[in-house]
Amino acid sequence: AQSVAQPEDQVNVAEGNPLTVKCTYSVSGNPYLFWYVQYPNRGLQFLLKYITGDNLVKGSYGFEAEFNKSQTSFHLKKPSALVSDSALYFCAVRDRRGRRALTFGSGTRLQVQP
Amino acid sequence: DTEVTQTPKHLVMGMTNKKSLKCEQHMGHRAMYWYKQKAKKPPELMFVYSYEKLSINESVPSRFSPECPNSSLLNLHLHALQPEDSALYLCASSQPTGSTGELFFGEGSRLTVL
Repeated sequence: AQSVAQPEDQVNVAEGNPLTVKCTYSVSGNPYLFWYVQYPNRGLQFLLKYITGDNLVKGSYGFEAEFNKSQTSFHLKKPSALVSDSALYFCAVRDRRGRRALTFGSGTRLQVQP
Repeated sequence: DTEVTQTPKHLVMGMTNKKSLKCEQHMGHRAMYWYKQKAKKPPELMFVYSYEKLSINESVPSRFSPECPNSSLLNLHLHALQPEDSALYLCASSQPTGSTGELFFGEGSRLTVL
């Protein structure tokens, strides 16, 4: 079975500081990994994905994520946080067989303080 | 702006009512999904359609009945729901389930069952 874990319910960071939102995965074989963001009362917006290739993936709104196979992690990062980045962030996995839809982590609420 | 359109945005219904949620996409995607999301929880997969055929049903109660009339439309028919079915229902689409593509989500339909 495939799964992702987001160990932090909430991450607090000051505006202008770097941010990291953590994600670890468990899947048979090599995974397809995704990050989504959800603003209050809205749907999910795609940020970035790792399929293969370079371990550092760049995405929307200045976000990037680093795939680490040995640590089975896919942490989301941004060099300089904005107040407008405050939202709920979900890591998700789809295994390479492709049969399943995305399985989401529990979510991490990012709070960026002015 | 999302390219997956869901209607209605809000729906209040009694336990004896029959209602439907609608979803439309014009991206040429051949896989469409229904997810259910409770407050502060991750989305949970309900159904997957691939090439207009139901490919995954995650043991959803029969009071939820999906329908895919064509490649652009996805409906979720609701009947005899329970108050615990109150949630945000998210529709998504993607290239078929065998691909590496991300899911594109609509803004959701917020359902309240009285």
